[in-house]
Amino acid sequence: DVKVTQSSRYLVKRTGEKVFLECVQDMDHENMFWYRQDPGLGLRLIYFSYDVKMKEKGDIPEGYSVSREKKERFSLILESASTNQTSMYLCASSLGQGHTGELFFGEGSRLTVL
Amino acid sequence: GQNIDQPTEMTATEGAIVQINCTYQTSGFNGLFWYQQHAGEAPTFLSYNVLDGLEEKGRFSSFLSRSKGYSYLLLKELQMKDSASYLCAVMDSNYQLIWGAGTKLIIKP
Repeated sequence: DVKVTQSSRYLVKRTGEKVFLECVQDMDHENMFWYRQDPGLGLRLIYFSYDVKMKEKGDIPEGYSVSREKKERFSLILESASTNQTSMYLCASSLGQGHTGELFFGEGSRLTVL
Repeated sequence: GQNIDQPTEMTATEGAIVQINCTYQTSGFNGLFWYQQHAGEAPTFLSYNVLDGLEEKGRFSSFLSRSKGYSYLLLKELQMKDSASYLCAVMDSNYQLIWGAGTKLIIKP
């Protein structure tokens, strides 16, 4: 059974803290993505990666960075968390070149920044 | 700009049929996706349409009209477990996904 696993389901952090959100997929997918999901808005793409050590900015990269040192792992980093980064963060992966095909999502990480 | 519109919330009765509409305006078109997301869970893939017409998959069907910028998801024989949010997403000419805000479907007994 294919699986995308996010390290933390719920996190509470303070303003200014550094936050790591980790995502691991076991499907040998090339493409991995980080989205945030907020009420009343569609999913918004933060960063994506088509290959190891490769990253591309999405629609809302400000305040975030990513790391992809291994094919199966894609980490999202908030260098200095702010209250407007309180959100649900979804990791996804897909097979194939480019941003095509079915996305497989993790369960999500709900981050609250106080 | 690019835009995906779908109703915020719909209510239907168990055993009935419901149609969830999605209209889009995007820079190019490389397919339309529907995902289902139960509360507190990951979105899961339901369907993909790239050509006009109806695609049927069990109780769920998805329709696309590219000339009208319109799609719908049709759910038949509704079950309580169909209570979820349904997300419409369009792939634009750059192969980027543009997402709608989702339609929350409430099923009543």
